[in-house]
Amino acid sequence: SQQGEEDPQALSIQEGENATMNCSYKTSINNLQWYRQNSGRGLVHLILIRSNEREKHSGRLRVTLDTSKKSSSLLITASRAADTASYFCATDRGTYKYIFGTGTRLKVLA
Amino acid sequence: DTGVSQDPRHKITKRGQNVTFRCDPISEHNRLYWYRQTLGQGPEFLTYFQNEAQLEKSRLLSDRFSAERPKGSFSTLEIQRTEQGDSAMYLCASSQPRTSGILGTGELFFGEGSRLTVL
Repeated sequence: SQQGEEDPQALSIQEGENATMNCSYKTSINNLQWYRQNSGRGLVHLILIRSNEREKHSGRLRVTLDTSKKSSSLLITASRAADTASYFCATDRGTYKYIFGTGTRLKVLA
Repeated sequence: DTGVSQDPRHKITKRGQNVTFRCDPISEHNRLYWYRQTLGQGPEFLTYFQNEAQLEKSRLLSDRFSAERPKGSFSTLEIQRTEQGDSAMYLCASSQPRTSGILGTGELFFGEGSRLTVL
């Protein structure tokens, strides 16, 4: 079962532009994480935001969390061709069972 | 290399055969997860362990699937009587350093996956 749903499903931008992807989920959570997956590879953790946090930064990444709307957004600034990948949100209700969303496929054109 | 390793990376089998995948987590992690991922979809939760205890198993998992983690270290995922619908990437992940008690970052460290093709 998928807890989260990412939007858009696919995104194509030019190098240097910012990329924003959104995640909506259905139940209350303890924390939300974002992961990146290159084609045919495993997932790599990007950033975790706890339910009592509203915004978090890590390098070119900015994540926001709105628990009242049950949504999160991931912003990648000054995108690079190497950022081309699929991005997934994963939610935890405090049971350490992580449920992933459907993903956003990002393509950054050089 | 102290990352999560999975074996085999690729497996092609005929319908009806049994297959087994192995996952070696990061040694100090006590939680181990199995996920299944089909093309264009997100990882789908199958089961997870804390040490050797299997804490939860997805209701989507049929009786043909079984997972073990006998000594709280490596884990195996067995699929019996494979069907074409079982074709997918099977991902293993581990988390939470043992020394952190009940706390931990919650970050999952994934292996590269085992791709199963059932003919």
